[in-house]
Amino acid sequence: TQLLEQSPQFLSIQEGENLTVYCNSSSVFSSLQWYRQEPGEGPVLLVTVVTGGEVKKLKRLTFQFGDARKDSSLHITAAQPGDTGLYLCAAPSSNTGKLIFGQGTTLQVKP
Amino acid sequence: DAGVTQSPTHLIKTRGQQVTLRCSPKSGHDTVSWYQQALGQGPQFIFQYYEEEERQRGNFPDRFSGHQFPNYSSELNVNALLLGDSALYLCASSSGYQPQHFGDGTRLSIL
Repeated sequence: TQLLEQSPQFLSIQEGENLTVYCNSSSVFSSLQWYRQEPGEGPVLLVTVVTGGEVKKLKRLTFQFGDARKDSSLHITAAQPGDTGLYLCAAPSSNTGKLIFGQGTTLQVKP
Repeated sequence: DAGVTQSPTHLIKTRGQQVTLRCSPKSGHDTVSWYQQALGQGPQFIFQYYEEEERQRGNFPDRFSGHQFPNYSSELNVNALLLGDSALYLCASSSGYQPQHFGDGTRLSIL
C-alpha cells in the first residue's frame, strides 16, 4: 500500500516566521503535487515536481522533491496570514489516475 | 471558463437514506474522480470515471456507486447512509495526464 505521511499535522506561527512541511513515503513516485485548501473550498494545485532533486519556487514558497523521489518538502519564508490553510501533498498511484493524499498540515499564521 | 462545479453545496440526511451528488467537469476534461474528505484530513479516493465506465475504485463499499454521462458530468450515489459517511465529497476532473482540478465539494452531514 502506498502511503504519504505529512508532518507536522498542525502548525501555528506568527507572521514573518519561516516554516517547513514534510511529506514522506517508502514508495517511489513518478511525480508529487502540493495543494492548498481553504475552508469551504476544494484543494488548489500549487506545484507539481517530477524530477528527483528538483526545486521549484512560487514567490515565498519553495518546493523540493527528494533525490529518490520518495519525499518532498514545502518551505515558506516570512509567512503571512494569507498563507493560512490546509496544505496537502499528493502523488499518483502507480500508472493510474488515482491520487494518494497525505493527511494534510493545517497552518495558522497569526498577525 | 467555468471550473469544476458541484451540487448541492450542503446536504443534511438521516441514517439509512440515500443521496446523489452531482459534478460538472471543467470544460475540455473527460475524466472525473470522486474523493471523500473527513474534517482536517486528506481526501480519500472513491472511484474514477472515464468514457462512462468506472476505471478504478478505492477501498469503499458497494454502497458507493457512480455514473458518468455522455457530456462527461458525473453523479455519486451513496445508499444506506451511515453516520461515518459525514464528510466533504470532492469531485476532480482531468484530461489525459494533466493535473486534476477540484470542485469546492458537497458537505454531507448525516444525523
